[in-house]
Amino acid sequence: RKEVEQDPGPFNVPEGATVAFNCTYSNSASQSFFWYRQDCRKEPKLLMSVYSSGNEDGRFTAQLNRASQYISLLIRDSKLSDSATYLCVVTSGVMDTGRRALTFGSGTRLQVQP
Amino acid sequence: DTEVTQTPKHLVMGMTNKKSLKCEQHMGHRAMYWYKQKAKKPPELMFVYSYEKLSINESVPSRFSPECPNSSLLNLHLHALQPEDSALYLCASSQGGADTEAFFGQGTRLTVV
Repeated sequence: RKEVEQDPGPFNVPEGATVAFNCTYSNSASQSFFWYRQDCRKEPKLLMSVYSSGNEDGRFTAQLNRASQYISLLIRDSKLSDSATYLCVVTSGVMDTGRRALTFGSGTRLQVQP
Repeated sequence: DTEVTQTPKHLVMGMTNKKSLKCEQHMGHRAMYWYKQKAKKPPELMFVYSYEKLSINESVPSRFSPECPNSSLLNLHLHALQPEDSALYLCASSQGGADTEAFFGQGTRLTVV
């Protein structure tokens, strides 16, 4: 089983639509969770961190369910510029400092259409 | 704009060449990383330096040799690479331990011929 799993998509949605991505992780000791966005042939860029209480940044809402080991990202009112690959990222490895690093899911591709 | 700078942006090298990739950050981050990314795949961790010491080597072949001369710089020395090593090599850094969000450089697109 992969450590971080995502639906690869692609998700093809019209402008203005609401779209949700899900991600599951296998390591119950994972501590930190993030969503990154990656445009074609570019580097990953941090979209938002994910907290147990959930967090919102404009049109983007992230949720974490530790009991189910599940992370979600909701995008409201999709824009053409939201077209990208969205990467779910969790910490992995053992618990002592320096032995943890980010592990990426395979990414979910979003294509917003006019 | 990214505050992690990687050079060169593109590199073509032969299988007998020796080359180095460079990464620099001035955000005071204490953890630095090398990732490798093939087309349509997520980044795969290669090395982690924490407080200038190598803390993770993900069983990377010895033809890749990392170096951290100081807290701002990270190098990846390449020697006798294979064509299948062609990929985007991403450097990243993070503030505290390796569990805080990481910021990526624009990457070096490497082609081995």
